[in-house]
Amino acid sequence: DVKVTQSSRYLVKRTGEKVFLECVQDMDHENMFWYRQDPGLGLRLIYFSYDVKMKEKGDIPEGYSVSREKKERFSLILESASTNQTSMYLCASSPRTGTGNTIYFGEGSWLTVV
Amino acid sequence: GEDVEQSLFLSVREGDSSVINCTYTDSSSTYLYWYKQEPGAGLQLLTYIFSNMDMKQDQRLTVLLNKKDKHLSLRIADTQTGDSAIYFCAETPLPYGGATNKLIFGTGTLLAVQP
Repeated sequence: DVKVTQSSRYLVKRTGEKVFLECVQDMDHENMFWYRQDPGLGLRLIYFSYDVKMKEKGDIPEGYSVSREKKERFSLILESASTNQTSMYLCASSPRTGTGNTIYFGEGSWLTVV
Repeated sequence: GEDVEQSLFLSVREGDSSVINCTYTDSSSTYLYWYKQEPGAGLQLLTYIFSNMDMKQDQRLTVLLNKKDKHLSLRIADTQTGDSAIYFCAETPLPYGGATNKLIFGTGTLLAVQP
């Protein structure tokens, strides 16, 4: 079974802190994604990566950065957390090409910024 | 740009059928999906349909696609309390910079099943 693991399920951070959200997948997938989920807004893409050391901005990259030093790991970084970044963050991975039904999600990381 | 819309809430009684609707704007979409999210969990793929199909049935689930109106629906027959969740439709727009499976999600519909 494909597994996408988000190591932190629940975090509480203070405004201004640097926050790392880690995601690891075990299926040698090229593509990895970070989404943010908010009520009434659905899932919005923050950043994605096609390969090691490669990243592209999604729809809402402001206030975030990412790191992909190894193929299996994709990290989301909040350089200086703010209260409007309180949200649920979902990581996903997929092979570079596929039939379209091969995107797998982690269980999510709930971040509260106080 | 791409836009996917859903109604926010649907309430049904156990045993009834549920129909969750979705509209999208990108006519180049090749795959359209339905995901389920249970409380506190990630997204689980329920079913998907190719854009050259009109209908797909999978046990209690029926997906209907009206390409002319850019309308997608998910029908759940004999809805159970375990079906209570948020349901997201999503599309894969093409062309997109090489990432053929970048998903665009709807806002999600909360399905509440009353016993």
